[in-house]
Amino acid sequence: ETGVTQSPTHLIKTRGQQVTLRCSSQSGHNTVSWYQQALGQGPQFIFQYYREEENGRGNFPPRFSGLQFPNYSSELNVNALELDDSALYLCASSLGLRGENYGYTFGSGTRLTVV
Amino acid sequence: AQTVTQSQPEMSVQEAETVTLSCTYDTSESDYYLFWYKQPPSRQMILVIRQEAYKQQNATENRFSVNFQKAAKSFSLKISDSQLGDAAMYFCAYRSGQYGNKLVFGAGTILRVKS
Repeated sequence: ETGVTQSPTHLIKTRGQQVTLRCSSQSGHNTVSWYQQALGQGPQFIFQYYREEENGRGNFPPRFSGLQFPNYSSELNVNALELDDSALYLCASSLGLRGENYGYTFGSGTRLTVV
Repeated sequence: AQTVTQSQPEMSVQEAETVTLSCTYDTSESDYYLFWYKQPPSRQMILVIRQEAYKQQNATENRFSVNFQKAAKSFSLKISDSQLGDAAMYFCAYRSGQYGNKLVFGAGTILRVKS
């Protein structure tokens, strides 16, 4: 049974650029959630995808968008990058919207630095 | 909106000793779940223990136990017989039972274990 895989592990982008982060969910999981973790803070919920549709969104602007594919993997896209977007981006997969049965499995994250 | 507060930015414990990490939360809901996650330097969030609000009995997982005080909205984590591998950032998290498709995290507590 594979866990959650995120790529890339580290990324450096310039302000104004666009970035795509990828997440492969754990085998058997059909829901993916994305979180932003700024340095020294707890993760903040960005959004969740279930059956290829967004199911809930946190307090993030529209330049944060996502996709979920038929194999349940997911992408997080951020347009017009700002310095404050520098953070660790965590992906979590679950079986069902609330992870009732087995909880959430997190990946090791993508460290994004915007310069 | 629900909030989670961890008032201890950093804690230290001697190996084999016991340490308690504090967490308080604010909610108007009666149905919810509480979690403690561990984030080691590898960055992956690992579930330590989970508590359902409707259960009066405190959850226990081996050396880890919680003190859940629902009326006081307090959810502390006790680590017994601390080991060097317990050193990590610990996050307290809340999830709504009825509407919960996201985790709300506290700011975290860094736990250092001294040999």
